[in-house]
Amino acid sequence: DIQMTQSPSSLSASLGDRVTITCRASQGISNYLAWYQQKPGKVPKLLIFAASTLQSGVPSRFSGSGSGTDFTLIISSLQPEDVATYYCQKYNSAPQTFGQGTRVEIK
Amino acid sequence: QLQLVQSGAEVKKPGSSVKVSCKASGGSFDNYAFTWVRQAPGHGLEWMGGIIPVFDRTTYAQKFRDRVTITADKSTSTAYMEVSSLKSEDTAVYYCATVFGYYYDRPFDSWGQGALVTVSS
Repeated sequence: DIQMTQSPSSLSASLGDRVTITCRASQGISNYLAWYQQKPGKVPKLLIFAASTLQSGVPSRFSGSGSGTDFTLIISSLQPEDVATYYCQKYNSAPQTFGQGTRVEIK
Repeated sequence: QLQLVQSGAEVKKPGSSVKVSCKASGGSFDNYAFTWVRQAPGHGLEWMGGIIPVFDRTTYAQKFRDRVTITADKSTSTAYMEVSSLKSEDTAVYYCATVFGYYYDRPFDSWGQGALVTVSS
């Protein structure tokens, strides 16, 4: 099975900072990559699919890029409501494996 | 996009089984694959497996192949996930989620609210 590796596992940044999270697949998955945001005690929310397509209603400060094995989620200007754990997920086929998550906090 | 409502929290003894349900409404049950995701306390999301009810075809992540059974009842638009021989490490929130189509080639479009299963003697 394809493994998904995220980095870092956690980060602390100041309000307004640019935040970058990376996700690497152990094999190529084209652009079959989604990013989810999960706030404590809540159901995950889809932010980005097809590696770079913003889900409807998601703020434009979120962006995604990449193809093949290397992907990036960027928050261009960190806001208080962005405190959450972020997961990548590959979905080219089953199993639709998740990365281990990146916890984002405010410094 | 379906609405998914899961069964409630459960407390189980080690060695027993638990069956969590996920009832769908608001769309065509037959157009979706139903997947299950586990999240242990303080841990990340684990994709467990899924079922395509229209074909009654299941697939499991290797880790869950031995003790997890996923089924679906088309007459009630309900998917089920059963874990047998429960261990304390199975304590987690179990989510159902849907994938439109039959090939697991799309992201999740709906999630259930989650069901907490606690395994404790």
